[in-house]
Amino acid sequence: DIVMTQSPLSLSVTPGEPASISCRSSQSLLYTNGYKYLHWYLQKPGQSPQLLIYMGSNRASGVPDRFSGSGSGTDFTLKISRVEAEDVGVYYCMQGLQTPHTFGQGTKLEIK
Amino acid sequence: QITLKESGPTLVKPTQTLTLTCTFSGFSLITSGVGVGWIRQPPGKALEWLALIYWDDDKRYSPSLKNRLTITKDTSKNEVVLRMTNMDPVDTATYYCAQNRVYYSSGSYYNAWGQGSLVTVSS
Repeated sequence: DIVMTQSPLSLSVTPGEPASISCRSSQSLLYTNGYKYLHWYLQKPGQSPQLLIYMGSNRASGVPDRFSGSGSGTDFTLKISRVEAEDVGVYYCMQGLQTPHTFGQGTKLEIK
Repeated sequence: QITLKESGPTLVKPTQTLTLTCTFSGFSLITSGVGVGWIRQPPGKALEWLALIYWDDDKRYSPSLKNRLTITKDTSKNEVVLRMTNMDPVDTATYYCAQNRVYYSSGSYYNAWGQGSLVTVSS
């Protein structure tokens, strides 16, 4: 199984400040077709997860452009350019390259 | 608009079999590149992938739970059913179904999720 490791596990950010979450995979998520099968989800308090970023850097429909994703084969980053109060929740990375699909441990974002 | 909704018992006894149904709308499971997966989340813990069924009836299971899981689809009803046998208190979790989309004939991602169904295992 591909192991996904996130850091930090929690962060507290002042509104308007940037935030960054790292995700590392135990093997490359870059397939021979050139696509990276790494996705980011946000689970807001009391809600189900929602897709934020797919294929490493593509924002899902309706996701604000303050969210961006980047990364290479095994190291990926989710960045929020200016954190807002509505961004609180737990962020998960997930690899969709092969089954079993696997998730990171989650990173809890709080507002200072 | 894509919607998914999980239904099933909220309480099961140890050793019993859990049957959960995912009823969806806004897409069809006969469309190439589409699937429905199940993911669970124990209280206060991370997400754990369980199973996935594709449009062509290809089925995938978590290796650690493979012997206990069965996933099936009914395309006429727009339903996917997950069965998990020999339930244990450690299986207490919120169970989510989610639409899966294959990207460029290879891997995939979960595009839309249901609201989740909390299942408690207790005698």
